[in-house]
Amino acid sequence: TQLLEQSPQFLSIQEGENLTVYCNSSSVFSSLQWYRQEPGEGPVLLVTVVTGGEVKKLKRLTFQFGDARKDSSLHITAAQPGDTGLYLCAGGGNYGQNFVFGPGTRLSVLP
Amino acid sequence: GAGVSQSPSNKVTEKGKDVELRCDPISGHTALYWYRQSLGQGLEFLIYFQGNSAPDKSGLPSDRFSAERTGGSVSTLTIQRTQQEDSAVYLCASSLGVGQGPIYGYTFGSGTRLTVV
Repeated sequence: TQLLEQSPQFLSIQEGENLTVYCNSSSVFSSLQWYRQEPGEGPVLLVTVVTGGEVKKLKRLTFQFGDARKDSSLHITAAQPGDTGLYLCAGGGNYGQNFVFGPGTRLSVLP
Repeated sequence: GAGVSQSPSNKVTEKGKDVELRCDPISGHTALYWYRQSLGQGLEFLIYFQGNSAPDKSGLPSDRFSAERTGGSVSTLTIQRTQQEDSAVYLCASSLGVGQGPIYGYTFGSGTRLTVV
């Protein structure tokens, strides 16, 4: 089973600051997804990356897939309190327990 | 429906009782997944369905856990003789089909928070 690690585990920053969170594995992933989960809700898909070296932007969020497709990063510019949540990366095989979720980075953006 | 619907949203039960959790996926989504999320943890895969079939049950923690899906739509996750360690949020997700999830994503419900006292 492929495993995903995320860092940092917790991050608390002030509004307006920039931040980067990381998702790493020793395995190659055919695709990787990022989700954001708010308290009391299920995870919501932010992006899917499939090509090594791919960069995708979603407003103030920039996602990068590593060249070797073993790692990914999420950069947030000028963080806002609405960015607060649990950020999960996920990837792996097509289905079942071959598709795994990382433990998440819990982000708190203080006003 | 417009989204994945789960019920109940909260369930408190006494140790040893049975509970049933329900998931109504997005209409037309043939694949359905159950995950468990313990406090402060990531998502633990439990079981998935393609149509009414469950090809992979290996994630179910014990034989107290079972799940079924009927009519290719609604699914129920049943936990028999609940234990305190079963306390967690149980999340259901659906995707267009098996194989589409890793590309187009999974749509999650809001979960059922189960507390065993």
